[in-house]
Amino acid sequence: NAGVMQNPRHLVRRRGQEARLRCSPMKGHSHVYWYRQLPEEGLKFMVYLQKENIIDESGMPKERFSAEFPKEGPSILRIQQVVRGDSAAYFCASSPQGTRGYEQYFGPGTRLTVT
Amino acid sequence: AQTVTQSQPEMSVQEAETVTLSCTYDTSESDYYLFWYKQPPSRQMILVIRQEAYKQQNATENRFSVNFQKAAKSFSLKISDSQLGDAAMYFCAYRSLGGGNAGNMLTFGGGTRLMVKP
Repeated sequence: NAGVMQNPRHLVRRRGQEARLRCSPMKGHSHVYWYRQLPEEGLKFMVYLQKENIIDESGMPKERFSAEFPKEGPSILRIQQVVRGDSAAYFCASSPQGTRGYEQYFGPGTRLTVT
Repeated sequence: AQTVTQSQPEMSVQEAETVTLSCTYDTSESDYYLFWYKQPPSRQMILVIRQEAYKQQNATENRFSVNFQKAAKSFSLKISDSQLGDAAMYFCAYRSLGGGNAGNMLTFGGGTRLMVKP
């Protein structure tokens, strides 16, 4: 049973380019969460999605960041016009249900470097 | 909003010894979950142990156990018989059981880097 898959594992972008991060949840999981980890810090919640729905985006920056989880295919976190401050590790987690009590299973993360 | 604080940026322990990592949190809720995650150099987040706030009994998973003090809002992790493979960043995390969006997210502390000396 494959775990949460994220790709790419490492992504380098120049300032002003777009970054697209992909997350495939565990089999049978329909809930996806994105977190960002800045260097030497803990993870910070960004967004929670179910298939075709954004449920909670309270942690997303208001500009340049967007997320989707289509009916088919992986969840995508998109960062437009990246800046140096976007350099971080981005983690995706999934759960079988969004209800309280279910652990979130994390992927290996994507390390984004903006040059 | 809930906050989670880990006051020890770094800890070290001798192999085979016991170490305790501290975590405190701030919440006005009575029902919630607490977690300890391990992040080794590979950066993969690995769930170590989980505690439900309504349970008085402290959770235990093999060499890992917690000391959950609800009134003091304290949730420490004890690692017994430390092994070299325990060296990692350890994050304490809180998940609300309340209504609204609060239960959607994990709130993490800043982490404690554990070093294990051979």
